[in-house]
Amino acid sequence: AQSVTQLGSHVSVSEGALVLLRCNYSSSVPPYLFWYVQYPNQGLQLLLKYTTGATLVKGINGFEAEFKKSETSFHLTKPSAHMSDAAEYFCAVSPSGSARQLTFGSGTQLTVLP
Amino acid sequence: EAGVTQFPSHSVIEKGQTVTLRCDPISGHDNLYWYRRVMGKEIKFLLHFVKESKQDESGMPNNRFLAERTGGTYSTLKVQPAELEDSGVYFCASSHDLGGIDYEQYFGPGTRLTVT
Repeated sequence: AQSVTQLGSHVSVSEGALVLLRCNYSSSVPPYLFWYVQYPNQGLQLLLKYTTGATLVKGINGFEAEFKKSETSFHLTKPSAHMSDAAEYFCAVSPSGSARQLTFGSGTQLTVLP
Repeated sequence: EAGVTQFPSHSVIEKGQTVTLRCDPISGHDNLYWYRRVMGKEIKFLLHFVKESKQDESGMPNNRFLAERTGGTYSTLKVQPAELEDSGVYFCASSHDLGGIDYEQYFGPGTRLTVT
């Protein structure tokens, strides 16, 4: 069975500072990996995904994530936080070869301080 | 292109009552998913439709939950009778399914269900 662990249910950063949201997964084979963001009163929006190929994945809004198989990690980063980045972020996995049933982490609420 | 829509946005019902949640996927999306987030916990998969057929309902918690997708368009999720532990946010998502390749799931805003 797959599982996802997001370290830190709440993360605060200053505007302009580095954003680092951690995600580790457990899977018998390398899965597909996703980061979603949820802004207040909206649905989840896909930020980026890793399926195969290049392990450094760039997404929308300046975010990127690196798949590290040896560390079973898929941490999300952004060099410079903006106030508009304040939201809840979810890491998710699905079985390799399929983007169907997603297994989510418990989410990380990002606060950006002025 | 309209996104995934869900109705109602909020529902407050008493224990023992029945509630029906509706999801309208993006037009043309054959895959439709239901997920649920109980307060403070992770979002969990409930079930997956391909057109009108249930492809995977392994996440449905018990037989008080009934999902349908008549005609392969919108879907409903009925909870009868509702229990306190059913409270949470119910998300619907849809995606293309072309030639066995699965595409990005687009999520709706969710229905917040409170059972008192």
